[in-house]
Amino acid sequence: DQQVKQNSPSLSVQEGRISILNCDYTNSMFDYFLWYKKYPAEGPTFLISISSIKDKNEDGRFTVFLNKSAKHLSLHIVPSQPGDSAVYFCAVESSGSARQLTFGSGTQLTVLP
Amino acid sequence: DAGVIQSPRHEVTEMGQEVTLRCKPISGHNSLFWYRQTMMRGLELLIYFNNNVPIDDSGMPEDRFSAKMPNASFSTLKIQPSEPRDSAVYFCASSQWTGMGLGYTFGSGTRLTVV
Repeated sequence: DQQVKQNSPSLSVQEGRISILNCDYTNSMFDYFLWYKKYPAEGPTFLISISSIKDKNEDGRFTVFLNKSAKHLSLHIVPSQPGDSAVYFCAVESSGSARQLTFGSGTQLTVLP
Repeated sequence: DAGVIQSPRHEVTEMGQEVTLRCKPISGHNSLFWYRQTMMRGLELLIYFNNNVPIDDSGMPEDRFSAKMPNASFSTLKIQPSEPRDSAVYFCASSQWTGMGLGYTFGSGTRLTVV
């Protein structure tokens, strides 16, 4: 049973426009929600996170929104740039002593010049 | 710091052979994770260690998979015997608590091809 779902395997956006990546989770017992970015032939790298007690966190062009009632997480990138083309994974961090990240299946974002 | 170091970067082996993947975590990180990336399932957690002790290995697909962490600076993931369906990219990550969630650092991965 997947705890984290990214239902869109791919997304194409024109340069300068907004990219919106979505993620749904099934369990309410998570402390943090994170986004990782992965380029080909590299490991995923941390992008941005949000605590479960907040509903928005912004870092430059990247904003993460958390809707706890809908169990929904989204990442907005504005304006999108060609260098943003990568696979984006959302992840949830379980609470308690055995902290670990559970990742979604990823969304390939392509920003067209 | 050189980050999380994985070796080899690429491995091509024949079905039935033993494969050993290696990982050197970041010094000072007390947790280490092995993930497998496939097109169908994305990033799957295989096993993780906390202070060199295996905490959760429920993601290890079969008894053919085993992992060890003999000390804080080294871990191995072994597949014996290997099968074509084991072909994937295997990532190692280490982490420490940042106060804003776990700070994971991933290695560059080992691309395994079993023919």
